[in-house]
Amino acid sequence: EAGVAQSPRYKIIEKRQSVAFWCNPISGHATLYWYQQILGQGPKLLIQFQNNGVVDDSQLPKDRFSAERLKGVDSTLKIQPAKLEDSAVYLCASSPGLAGGRSGELFFGEGSRLTVL
Amino acid sequence: DQQVKQNSPSLSVQEGRISILNCDYTNSMFDYFLWYKKYPAEGPTFLISISSIKDKNEDGRFTVFLNKSAKHLSLHIVPSQPGDSAVYFCAASGDYNNDMRFGAGTRLTVKP
Repeated sequence: EAGVAQSPRYKIIEKRQSVAFWCNPISGHATLYWYQQILGQGPKLLIQFQNNGVVDDSQLPKDRFSAERLKGVDSTLKIQPAKLEDSAVYLCASSPGLAGGRSGELFFGEGSRLTVL
Repeated sequence: DQQVKQNSPSLSVQEGRISILNCDYTNSMFDYFLWYKKYPAEGPTFLISISSIKDKNEDGRFTVFLNKSAKHLSLHIVPSQPGDSAVYFCAASGDYNNDMRFGAGTRLTVKP
């Protein structure tokens, strides 16, 4: 079974530029998450999708961050304009959904490391 | 708001000995508690979990203990192996896997 795929793995941009990250979850997984992990901290949930609907985006800085999950499969996370404090690893995760899976386990991708200069 | 806390940023143990990683939480509404392991340049991978209706769950060398009254859980690894060296994240969820909150992680180093 293929895991969660993310791209790009690494991205370096100047502040005020824009960047987009892509995620392809495990086939059949209804729920998709984007997490932000700043160095030395645990992952912080940015947005959660159930199929193509947003379940929780309460911690997403909506003035600069946006995310979409078209057709309930792939997802993109965009930052525009980027700030220095956005430097972090952006992790995508998926799970079978609220009605399935084992003990709430999330399956994570390898992450996209963003450096904002 | 740090609802899940791992107060020890690092832990070093000798191979063959027990590793004990600790985690505290503040939200009494959490129903599930999980431990994830993370190697460098990889995403976190699920290790073991426990439901709030239990106080212990064991899987091979890994055992998680939950003390609800103290809002505390711990992960025991016995015996520890060098391959266990990684960052361990404690996580908690209030509704199956909705809005899972993570601690800051503990870096475990197992010395040969």
